[in-house]
Amino acid sequence: GAVVSQHPSRVICKSGTSVKIECRSLDFQATTMFWYRQFPKQSLMLMATSNEGSKATYEQGVEKDKFLINHASLTLSTLTVTSAHPEDSSFYICSARGDNGSGNTIYFGEGSWLTVV
Amino acid sequence: RKEVEQDPGPFNVPEGATVAFNCTYSNSASQSFFWYRQDCRKEPKLLMSVYSSGNEDGRFTAQLNRASQYISLLIRDSKLSDSATYLCVVGERSSYKLIFGSGTRLLVRP
Repeated sequence: GAVVSQHPSRVICKSGTSVKIECRSLDFQATTMFWYRQFPKQSLMLMATSNEGSKATYEQGVEKDKFLINHASLTLSTLTVTSAHPEDSSFYICSARGDNGSGNTIYFGEGSWLTVV
Repeated sequence: RKEVEQDPGPFNVPEGATVAFNCTYSNSASQSFFWYRQDCRKEPKLLMSVYSSGNEDGRFTAQLNRASQYISLLIRDSKLSDSATYLCVVGERSSYKLIFGSGTRLLVRP
């Protein structure tokens, strides 16, 4: 079945550096990918919607210059957390919209744990 | 007001018990409804979609009341492996955006 892969699954970076998280759809083309963030004991919060070949649409309160999203191909979207700070430490999850033959379905990546020290 | 509201729990039940979770949503234009399961430090996984006519999948039954903007999940004959956080999720058909509730934690004890 369809699989969405995220990499890295865990990353530790120093405050002030940037870190890139990749989200790949492995056996389907994803015209739309979504990026979520989840703090401990809280819900998944949608950060942005990423459409292939166009600029991402950010949710209110999400800084587009801090969270850079690139969706250069139908199978890859990347999220770059720039100038990371400890408060950016969180669980970042992507999802991709793909057609499984019976309509559009949302598939989730395994998530990426970011710790900023 | 949150777009999707759930009782955070935890619900602590013995094996074999029946447990029900409720959820309300604020956007009357929402088009799709789901229950997801999330295990600790893992990504959410689709448990089942929810339809107005109600639907059942084994021990799990989901109901949707569009007039009341209310969604429910019933788990019968709870298993230890059912211990997880259950997320109520509402979708916008036009954009496929999913809005997640904060989740209800279930603990099934032996």
